[in-house]
Amino acid sequence: EPEVTQTPSHQVTQMGQEVILRCVPISNHLYFYWYRQILGQKVEFLVSFYNNEISEKSEIFDDQFSVERPDGSNFTLKIRSTKLEDSAMYFCASSEAGRISNQPQHFGDGTRLSIL
Amino acid sequence: AQKITQTQPGMFVQEKEAVTLDCTYDTSDPSYGLFWYKQPSSGEMIFLIYQGSYDQQNATEGRYSLNFQKARKSANLVISASQLGDSAMYFCAMRELNTDKLIFGTGTRLQVFP
Repeated sequence: EPEVTQTPSHQVTQMGQEVILRCVPISNHLYFYWYRQILGQKVEFLVSFYNNEISEKSEIFDDQFSVERPDGSNFTLKIRSTKLEDSAMYFCASSEAGRISNQPQHFGDGTRLSIL
Repeated sequence: AQKITQTQPGMFVQEKEAVTLDCTYDTSDPSYGLFWYKQPSSGEMIFLIYQGSYDQQNATEGRYSLNFQKARKSANLVISASQLGDSAMYFCAMRELNTDKLIFGTGTRLQVFP
């Protein structure tokens, strides 16, 4: 069964450094998402991406964050200057269609980001 | 106000028994979707089942079924014949009309014992 893959599974970074989290969505999916889950808390939406541009973003997704689809398969989340509070599990997701309610978003296994 | 409320932080169930995980939601949109995801201790998020606001019948997917009561704004997940491998966190989520984002509840930790 096709799946969303994320690399690395765990990233440890010094505060203030840039980090790039990588995702390969399911191949026929057109809509891509990033969510994060701070330890012990609920999953929070960051951003959605369609047709090479941001479709929607949350207030968490400030100027420190950016997303890119650098080629036909990868989808990346960049955090420019990491802060301690960026420590979380970051999930990439993809779906066949966007704002059609019956299309589930399929999640990857997540990247655990630890900021020191 | 919370959009998705899961009032059970933890539930226990014996193997082979059925269990219901509660979820209530709050929206004024006429069209929305409700989703359940499972998160094992390994951390991945696994899609289980979907219910649309206009669906006349309750969704079912193998051992998972959704008890959808629209007037009460509840979408409880029923797991029949529990297995040890069902032990995990379970998240209810909603997507409203004209938005991409899923709004998640705080989750319920289910533990299945022999």
